[in-house]
Amino acid sequence: SAVISQKPSRDICQRGTSLTIQCQVDSQVTMMFWYRQQPGQSLTLIATANQGSEATYESGFVIDKFPISRPNLTFSTLTVSNMSPEDSSIYLCSVEAGGGTEAFFGQGTRLTVV
Amino acid sequence: GIQVEQSPPDLILQEGANSTLRCNFSDSVNNLQWFHQNPWGQLINLFYIPSGTKQNGRLSATTVATERYSLLYISSSQTTDSGVYFCAVENSGAGSYQLTFGKGTKLSVIP
Repeated sequence: SAVISQKPSRDICQRGTSLTIQCQVDSQVTMMFWYRQQPGQSLTLIATANQGSEATYESGFVIDKFPISRPNLTFSTLTVSNMSPEDSSIYLCSVEAGGGTEAFFGQGTRLTVV
Repeated sequence: GIQVEQSPPDLILQEGANSTLRCNFSDSVNNLQWFHQNPWGQLINLFYIPSGTKQNGRLSATTVATERYSLLYISSSQTTDSGVYFCAVENSGAGSYQLTFGKGTKLSVIP
């Protein structure tokens, strides 16, 4: 298994500002994933972050809005830039314990933009 | 991409009742997991079950990969079982280790 520490757990931000979310894993992992969950909705993958390379973004998500860093095999950050109320969501990071096996999630960051 | 459908979308149970949640998927999968999302938003791993049957206390799950569905059974439900249950799959052919989530079943257990 993997233990993931994600912070902050929640935040209320002013529109136009940016928030950086951190995700720390207790073991080295090749890939980390960032998901968004809009209110009352399911989870949608934002991007896949590999150490040493640029993140791969899913359709509808762009690097300028959601820049991601992956400086080592245990840590990643997601920044939500130039926020608007539509960015109010839960953001979750995830890792897999090994290729094609069980995925584990951080506790999530509940973001409210006012 | 792969489609994941969960049913029912909403379910209200009296405490002590049993229930079955269903997950249908449109293609072969490497990985299928059931999660429980608690009221604080955290996703709790229930089962990693790409095929076969597993049991953990009052919960059990069965995946019939050849028929592309999975079932989650909750017996003797408790109020703490309330929340949203998600099924998520990883497409065999994708090679990306990305999970596709269903829309979830919102379970409310009333005393």
